[in-house]
Amino acid sequence: EPEVTQTPSHQVTQMGQEVILRCVPISNHLYFYWYRQILGQKVEFLVSFYNNEISEKSEIFDDQFSVERPDGSNFTLKIRSTKLEDSAMYFCASSDTSEAEQFFGPGTRLTVL
Amino acid sequence: AQSVTQPDIHITVSEGASLELRCNYSYGATPYLFWYVQSPGQGLQLLLKYFSGDTLVQGIKGFEAEFKRSQSSFNLRKPSVHWSDAAEYFCAVAGAAGNKLTFGGGTRVLVKP
Repeated sequence: EPEVTQTPSHQVTQMGQEVILRCVPISNHLYFYWYRQILGQKVEFLVSFYNNEISEKSEIFDDQFSVERPDGSNFTLKIRSTKLEDSAMYFCASSDTSEAEQFFGPGTRLTVL
Repeated sequence: AQSVTQPDIHITVSEGASLELRCNYSYGATPYLFWYVQSPGQGLQLLLKYFSGDTLVQGIKGFEAEFKRSQSSFNLRKPSVHWSDAAEYFCAVAGAAGNKLTFGGGTRVLVKP
């Protein structure tokens, strides 16, 4: 069964460093998303991406964040200068239409020290 | 703005007993509603969804949910729980634009032998 994959599973970084979280969505999907879940809190929407551009972003998704689909398979989330409060589980998701269910990856746990 | 409330943070149920998880949403139009399950260290797996039509929807793993517009609810049920149902359950509503998901805070289910 097709699935969304994410790498790495766990990333530890120093405050101020740049990190890139990688996702491989399901191959025929066209809509891509990033969410995050701070420990003990609810899952929060960050950004959605379609047709090589951002279709919606939340207030969390400020200038420190960017997304990219560098090739036909990967979808990345970059945090330019990490803060302690960026520590969270980051989930990638994809769907094949704008109204279909989203399939989630297993997540990347980001720890900022 | 859309929102989701899951009133129960924790529920403990005996194996073989029935389970009901509550979900209330706030959304101006007809919502798209979802239930996801998250096992420890895993991503979010879709249990079931409601877009339109029959208000009682069947999902995977023996779960069902009922959409009640008058109560703004989408409660999840299972007639007889198994130890493997121990997990965290999230209710979510889809937005009208970009289809971002807004999640509730989750309900953690513990299953007693």
